[in-house]
Amino acid sequence: LAKTTQPISMDSYEGQEVNITCSHNNIATNDYITWYQQFPSQGPRFIIQGYKTKVTNEVASLFIPADRKSSTLSLPRVSLSDTAVYYCLVAPRAAGNKLTFGGGTRVLVKP
Amino acid sequence: AAGVIQSPRHLIKEKRETATLKCYPIPRHDTVYWYQQGPGQDPQFLISFYEKMQSDKGSIPDRFSAQQFSDYHSELNMSSLELGDSALYFCASSFESSGRTYEQYFGPGTRLTVT
Repeated sequence: LAKTTQPISMDSYEGQEVNITCSHNNIATNDYITWYQQFPSQGPRFIIQGYKTKVTNEVASLFIPADRKSSTLSLPRVSLSDTAVYYCLVAPRAAGNKLTFGGGTRVLVKP
Repeated sequence: AAGVIQSPRHLIKEKRETATLKCYPIPRHDTVYWYQQGPGQDPQFLISFYEKMQSDKGSIPDRFSAQQFSDYHSELNMSSLELGDSALYFCASSFESSGRTYEQYFGPGTRLTVT
């Protein structure tokens, strides 16, 4: 599996945009980039997945440059309830694929 | 919408005892995963089942076993419990036939405390 590197923590304020960058220099051709969110004492929750360029859903946007060696999760106008740990996962989109979590980013949204 | 159900939500056991955790996946989901999350740690994959057959195995101790039943619910059996087994145990499910198994739905977890 491709190794990922994310900031350990980030602070932000309500209403701001939060951008979390994940480095994955040895990403393979068939790897996809997936982001999960985890609130304290709750199970992780799928946010978004992408392969290249930009993907947007109702929760976030994912920007992936052409070389795919990094990706940026963008959370628009965060609120206090967005305080959570955000995980970047890189793996093939194989059926029945386990999720390998490692070193997420703890985002703290302040009033 | 229906979510993944786990029971019990909290469990306290003594060392060397056994524990059974249950997971009821979202209806129509055919794949179940078990994850363990120790205090201050990231979730770690234990084992998964697809259509009642074990599909993948991670860092699951030999003292642990699991199975998926005909109604798709799954049970994680843990024996000879150790203090280090104290953790949150999450079950997740996905619908493999949708091709979106990367989108797993997690249950609320079972908090196991071994004393």
